[in-house]
Amino acid sequence: GAGVSQSPSNKVTEKGKDVELRCDPISGHTALYWYRQSLGQGLEFLIYFQGNSAPDKSGLPSDRFSAERTGGSVSTLTIQRTQQEDSAVYLCASSSQSGGVSNQPQHFGDGTRLSIL
Amino acid sequence: KQEVTQIPAALSVPEGENLVLNCSFTDSAIYNLQWFRQDPGKGLTSLLLIQSSQREQTSGRLNASLDKSSGRSTLYIAASQPGDSATYLCAADFGNEKLTFGTGTRLTIIP
Repeated sequence: GAGVSQSPSNKVTEKGKDVELRCDPISGHTALYWYRQSLGQGLEFLIYFQGNSAPDKSGLPSDRFSAERTGGSVSTLTIQRTQQEDSAVYLCASSSQSGGVSNQPQHFGDGTRLSIL
Repeated sequence: KQEVTQIPAALSVPEGENLVLNCSFTDSAIYNLQWFRQDPGKGLTSLLLIQSSQREQTSGRLNASLDKSSGRSTLYIAASQPGDSATYLCAADFGNEKLTFGTGTRLTIIP
């Protein structure tokens, strides 16, 4: 597709359930990022994938959060045993940045709005 | 701690006026700074990216500047239109490939 695609666009689930959020980056982009946008916290970095390198997981808030990127393309963010404070919009971005000097913009999807009841 | 700040949180301007949005950051060792707009319920649209070696970038009615020594960036919008109403976010890359965001300025253009 022309842009970053995320699914589902909305997800409502009960506390304690596991959820999976999907991101399809722009074709050919080697870098993929997950961010979280919540009221009172703004936009926060979660995890960064670059090619075949080990991901930068420094922004994941707890061990209930994990992400993988298969085949260097599609990524899945998984939240286990969801809590109410996990309610937020989860945004995915990709760029053609290939390491070295940062000179490529990040392009964002429309996000997944996650609500934990 | 590397932080990005945007003041004011909200701004209303009559249609047709020129305006400036402000962004400040705490670490002058910045690699690049990116400006985005976000419409309600949508993701972020990239507007301009300024690399650390540049002082400004222009796209149509938008001009973004970067002053590393003072820790400031501005986004200038010329001849504002109602369609410019959105939240504008600046984000800095401090060299670790991940963006640190400001909290945004919600801009309203009054017809």
